[in-house]
Amino acid sequence: EVQLVESGGGLVKPGDSLRLPCVVSGLIFRDAWMSWVRQAPGGGLEWIGRINSKGGGGTADYAAPVKGRFIISRDDSQNTVILQMSSLKSEDTGIYYCTWMGTTTRIDSWGQGTLVTVSS
Amino acid sequence: QSALTQPASVSGSPGQSITISCAGTSSDVGRYDFVSWYQQHPGKAPKLVISDVSNRPSGVSNRFSGSKSGNTASLTISGLQPEDEADYYCCSYTTSDTQAFGGGTRLTV
Repeated sequence: EVQLVESGGGLVKPGDSLRLPCVVSGLIFRDAWMSWVRQAPGGGLEWIGRINSKGGGGTADYAAPVKGRFIISRDDSQNTVILQMSSLKSEDTGIYYCTWMGTTTRIDSWGQGTLVTVSS
Repeated sequence: QSALTQPASVSGSPGQSITISCAGTSSDVGRYDFVSWYQQHPGKAPKLVISDVSNRPSGVSNRFSGSKSGNTASLTISGLQPEDEADYYCCSYTTSDTQAFGGGTRLTV
């Protein structure tokens, strides 16, 4: 069974940075394509970005609202994918889900989510 | 504003069938057969119920089915059961090599 465990959420001020690691088990992590999805309070799902496996180029792509502020990276030795967020805004508030993409175009598994609140 | 357009809510009685639409463009839904659907119960993480327009993952009830016509994809749930009450989201791969979600549809049974 694939398990994804996010951590690192909390209350931060506008302009701050925050790092969200996600530890993954139950699959061959080095071959996995991973993505992050967020959900504002009472809102819908929003795709943030994806990082390919090293074999797939190891590159990352991002949604327009976070491009230039968020960076997705991976540490295959620790089975961990990381979302580094900077210049945070109030509209970045929400639950952040780490996800495993079983293929390049669908999300097969989700973590339980970690709550990020950006407020002064 | 979401990239894909879904109705805010739908409702049905136990045993009935409902269909949720997901309208996109020729740059996403209309371009690729890479539409997936996710079910989310309150306070829970989403769960994949349909992938690649009409494929049902192992363990998902055969009451769930998906289809696509032009720029619009659809999720149909037949024989509605109380446990189907949830939020449903469509998602499509796009020409920008990104994923786009719909705004979500609340199903009331």
